[in-house]
Amino acid sequence: KAGVTQTPRYLIKTRGQQVTLSCSPISGHRSVSWYQQTPGQGLQFLFEYFSETQRNKGNFPGRFSGRQFSNSRSEMNVSTLELGDSALYLCASSLAPTVAAGGNTGELFFGEGSRLTVL
Amino acid sequence: AQSVTQPDIHITVSEGASLELRCNYSYGATPYLFWYVQSPGQGLQLLLKYFSGDTLVQGIKGFEAEFKRSQSSFNLRKPSVHWSDAAEYFCAVVDLNRDDKIIFGKGTRLHILP
Repeated sequence: KAGVTQTPRYLIKTRGQQVTLSCSPISGHRSVSWYQQTPGQGLQFLFEYFSETQRNKGNFPGRFSGRQFSNSRSEMNVSTLELGDSALYLCASSLAPTVAAGGNTGELFFGEGSRLTVL
Repeated sequence: AQSVTQPDIHITVSEGASLELRCNYSYGATPYLFWYVQSPGQGLQLLLKYFSGDTLVQGIKGFEAEFKRSQSSFNLRKPSVHWSDAAEYFCAVVDLNRDDKIIFGKGTRLHILP
């Protein structure tokens, strides 16, 4: 079956603009989580959705937001872009609402990411 | 604060040599532990995980890891590396007694010498 699909794969924006990234989970997965990956900070958890509800949120400013649709597809939005937002944004899907709740079914399956460059 | 430490940013080993990547975590209770691998330009792939039971876990691609509670460690090992193992490796932890968020280490980049 198809894996996690993220679009777009690459994009360039300028400071002050906003961006929307999309993630389509594996068929049947209802949980989607988002991560920011940078050379300096590594992989950081942004937020997690299950059945259209945000279940968990990382320590990011309110400029970072997300949502999940009834078909489990998810989008994340970053407003008022800053240079420091340049990163690889990864999306992951799983069967369970959280790893803890699902045990083995909480295994994360990652997409290839959307690489955002802010100029 | 919760943390996951991978002390080695880069490791270089010769093809065919053994490998050990270190991971230490700071949590009060037994967490869920994971190792992921990321090849260049790719997302992350789960190598193995520890939830409970046998502290030596086997994963894909010939990797194994051992959970040592007394040392708060979950080191990844492979007896003989292949050139295709060159990638970045991430240790990750979920603390069941807190907020269920997954915390990743900063990663260890593995280089393989021919």
